[in-house]
Amino acid sequence: ELKVEQNPLFLSMQEGKNYTIYCNYSTTSDRLYWYRQDPGKSLESLFVLLSNGAVKQEGRLMASLDTKARLSTLHITAAVHDLSATYFCAVDSGNYGGSQGNLIFGKGTKLSVKP
Amino acid sequence: NAGVTQTPKFQVLKTGQSMTLQCAQDMNHEYMSWYRQDPGMGLRLIHYSVGAGITDQGEVPNGYNVSRSTTEDFPLRLLSAAPSQTSVYFCASSRGTGLSGNTIYFGEGSWLTVV
Repeated sequence: ELKVEQNPLFLSMQEGKNYTIYCNYSTTSDRLYWYRQDPGKSLESLFVLLSNGAVKQEGRLMASLDTKARLSTLHITAAVHDLSATYFCAVDSGNYGGSQGNLIFGKGTKLSVKP
Repeated sequence: NAGVTQTPKFQVLKTGQSMTLQCAQDMNHEYMSWYRQDPGMGLRLIHYSVGAGITDQGEVPNGYNVSRSTTEDFPLRLLSAAPSQTSVYFCASSRGTGLSGNTIYFGEGSWLTVV
C-alpha cells in the first residue's frame, strides 16, 4: 500500500528565509505532484515531476524528485507572505487501474510566512 | 473555459438523506475522480473513472456510488448520509495519456455537512 508522508506538517517562517518541505513515499512511483491550497479554496497545481532527478522551478519554489530514495523536496527561497498556504505532495498510486489522476496525498504542510 | 465545475458548493443534509454531488468538465478528459478532504488527512480518493461507462473504487468508497454515462459528467451519490461523511469533496479530471505527466485539474470543492 502506497503511503505518502510530508514533513513538517506545520512551518512558520520569517520573510526572506529559506526552507525545505520533504515528501517521502513508500512504493515505487514515477509521477509526483505538488499542489498549493489556500484556505477555503481548491488545489492549484504547482509541479509535476516525472523522472528521477527531475527539478522544476517557478518563482521562489523549486521541486525535485529522487525516485531511488522515494523522496521529493519543495524548496522555498527567500519566503514572502504571499507564499503562506498549505502545500501537498501527491503520488500517482498506479494501484487504481494504473491510471493518472488517482493520487495518494500527503497530509499537507501548512506554511505561515511572517514579516 | 469552465474547467471542472462542481455543484452545489455548500449543502447541509440530515442523517439518512440522499443527495448527488455534480461534477462536469469541458476539457474532454478521460479520467475523472472524486476525493474527500478532512482536517489533517489530506485528500483521499473515493471513486474514479477512466472513461465513460467505466468506474472503480478508490481508498474510501463505502457509502458512495458513482456512474459515468458521458465523458463530461461524473456525479457522486450519497445513498444514506452519515455524519462521518461531513467533509469537503473535490472532483478532479485529467487527460491521462499514461505516458507523460498531465496536469490534474480540481474543481472548487463542495462543502457537505451531515447533521
